Amino acid sequence: LAKTTQPISMDSYEGQEVNITCSHNNIATNDYITWYQQFPSQGPRFIIQGYKTKVTNEVASLFIPADRKSSTLSLPRVSLSDTAVYYCLVGDYTGRRALTFGSGTRLQVQP
Amino acid sequence: EAQVTQNPRYLITVTGKKLTVTCSQNMNHEYMSWYRQDPGLGLRQIYYSMNVEVTDKGDVPEGYKVSRKEKRNFPLILESPSPNQTSLYFCASSSLGAGDNEQFFGPGTRLTVL
Repeated sequence: LAKTTQPISMDSYEGQEVNITCSHNNIATNDYITWYQQFPSQGPRFIIQGYKTKVTNEVASLFIPADRKSSTLSLPRVSLSDTAVYYCLVGDYTGRRALTFGSGTRLQVQP
Repeated sequence: EAQVTQNPRYLITVTGKKLTVTCSQNMNHEYMSWYRQDPGLGLRQIYYSMNVEVTDKGDVPEGYKVSRKEKRNFPLILESPSPNQTSLYFCASSSLGAGDNEQFFGPGTRLTVL
């Protein structure tokens, strides 16, 4: 299983860019990297997914170096509503192996 | 509306009394999964299923059973619940395939076993 390591918590201010890095040294060939956001007492919500290089959507960017042993979620210009826990998940897209979420990064955005 | 539903949302029960938490999805997803979430431990996968009649153990399967008789349903069964199964449970579903396996999560079931 690809174990992931993330910072436990991060603090930021409104309007700043936030980068959260996830380490996944034993990522496998079939593994994709996915980031989820979770608010208290709600199910996680998909943010972005990638395999290599850079992926961007309307809410975030995901940077993956060539060796794929880490990834960085970038949230541009955060707001108070971005205060949440962010999970990095490295998982086999074929569904043949169990998925292991990391313990998540608690992001606190201050005014 | 595309969604994953779970029932019940809240449940208080006693040790040893069998219970079932239902999960249903309307997106025709092949993959379904159950997670439990405990403070400080993040999300841990209990069981998952790649398709009908195909299930496999996740990281924490002890004390749980699942079945996948229909593609849309994936119930979680606790035959003899114990207090250490008090937790927040999430069901999720997704397609399978490269770059297309975003998991959709249900709203959660908060279970208390006394």
